[in-house]
Amino acid sequence: AQSVTQPDIHITVSEGASLELRCNYSYGATPYLFWYVQSPGQGLQLLLKYFSGDTLVQGIKGFEAEFKRSQSSFNLRKPSVHWSDAAEYFCAVSGGGADGLTFGKGTHLIIQP
Amino acid sequence: GAVVSQHPSRVICKSGTSVKIECRSLDFQATTMFWYRQFPKQSLMLMATSNEGSKATYEQGVEKDKFLINHASLTLSTLTVTSAHPEDSSFYICSASWTAYSNQPQHFGDGTRLSIL
Repeated sequence: AQSVTQPDIHITVSEGASLELRCNYSYGATPYLFWYVQSPGQGLQLLLKYFSGDTLVQGIKGFEAEFKRSQSSFNLRKPSVHWSDAAEYFCAVSGGGADGLTFGKGTHLIIQP
Repeated sequence: GAVVSQHPSRVICKSGTSVKIECRSLDFQATTMFWYRQFPKQSLMLMATSNEGSKATYEQGVEKDKFLINHASLTLSTLTVTSAHPEDSSFYICSASWTAYSNQPQHFGDGTRLSIL
């Protein structure tokens, strides 16, 4: 069965500092990988996705993620965070198409002034 | 583009009531829609997958008679929580995907906060 592990429940970063959120996945075939962001009481917004090709993918809001097959990882990065980045971040995996997503437990990002 | 509208955003009702939640894709045809449930401060769990014109596929442990899903058109799926009880209180989120191509991501609605008294 597929699974996603986000080892950090909470992360606190100073505004302007760099950010890396960790994600490890378990999937039997080539995975489709996603990062979503959720503000309190809201739905999910897609930050970026990886299906194939270049393992470094660029997303919205200055985020990027790198797929590392050998480490089964898909870590999310941002060079300089803004206070508006404070939210819950979810990594997810699927087989694509009509497959539902399997989510990690999420990482709560806190931005310090 | 790729906007998914979910309605209502919040429902408070008495135990025993049935509640219907709508999920609409506003600017694309959603061949597949998904329903997820999220408990407070927890992750999203897939409940069921619905394809237009066919019966929904439910995940293990999800009662199909409790959570009725209808996907009658390419832009609308509904989730009806029948005879809701307090333990059904949760945040329900739908997503929609155009699965003509396998690399299409899911686009999420803003969710429905269901509170059963």
